[in-house]
Amino acid sequence: AQKVTQAQTEISVVEKEDVTLDCVYETRDTTYYLFWYKQPPSGELVFLIRRNSFDEQNEISGRYSWNFQKSTSSFNFTITASQVVDSAVYFCALSEAGTYKYIFGTGTRLKVLA
Amino acid sequence: NAGVTQTPKFRVLKTGQSMTLLCAQDMNHEYMYWYRQDPGMGLRLIHYSVGEGTTAKGEVPDGYNVSRLKKQNFLLGLESAAPSQTSVYFCASSYSASRDTQYFGPGTRLTVL
Repeated sequence: AQKVTQAQTEISVVEKEDVTLDCVYETRDTTYYLFWYKQPPSGELVFLIRRNSFDEQNEISGRYSWNFQKSTSSFNFTITASQVVDSAVYFCALSEAGTYKYIFGTGTRLKVLA
Repeated sequence: NAGVTQTPKFRVLKTGQSMTLLCAQDMNHEYMYWYRQDPGMGLRLIHYSVGEGTTAKGEVPDGYNVSRLKKQNFLLGLESAAPSQTSVYFCASSYSASRDTQYFGPGTRLTVL
């Protein structure tokens, strides 16, 4: 069965600290896709990244980086030198090939304090 | 290019009233989705559509109906609202399934008294 676990309900850090948000997934398929979305206080869902199961290269985009490890079924998200604007709820999602469905984790609320 | 838009942004209903939420996308996407977001539960799929004229049930379809008469629009209806339907509703669209990114609308906050 598909499942996405974001065990960290809420994290608070001080500005400029690095922070890692954990995402662990379960799937029986060999082909699947993983996503991260950001939901700022304004409420919209902003797409951050998509990764397919055949590409285990880490991804870096500015202060954001993603570590995909199939051996541990994890797709973790790190923010380097966090800023107050990074405060949001972050969702990890899984989609198996050939399906319409995203399975979302319950989200991690990140608070970055000035 | 507006992406995905939703109407209305906020609504308060009394138990038993009906309403329709409208979702529109201008990206020529085939797939459209309706989710609800409740505290501590992430997003759950209500209904989805794989193309104009088609609809299908998601995880939590009870109490909702949908229609996709035009490719760019996806309507979510509540025939007889209940307090348990108090939630934030998100519409999303994607070019196709699974590998393609879903793009979300801004959400509709619905309160049922």
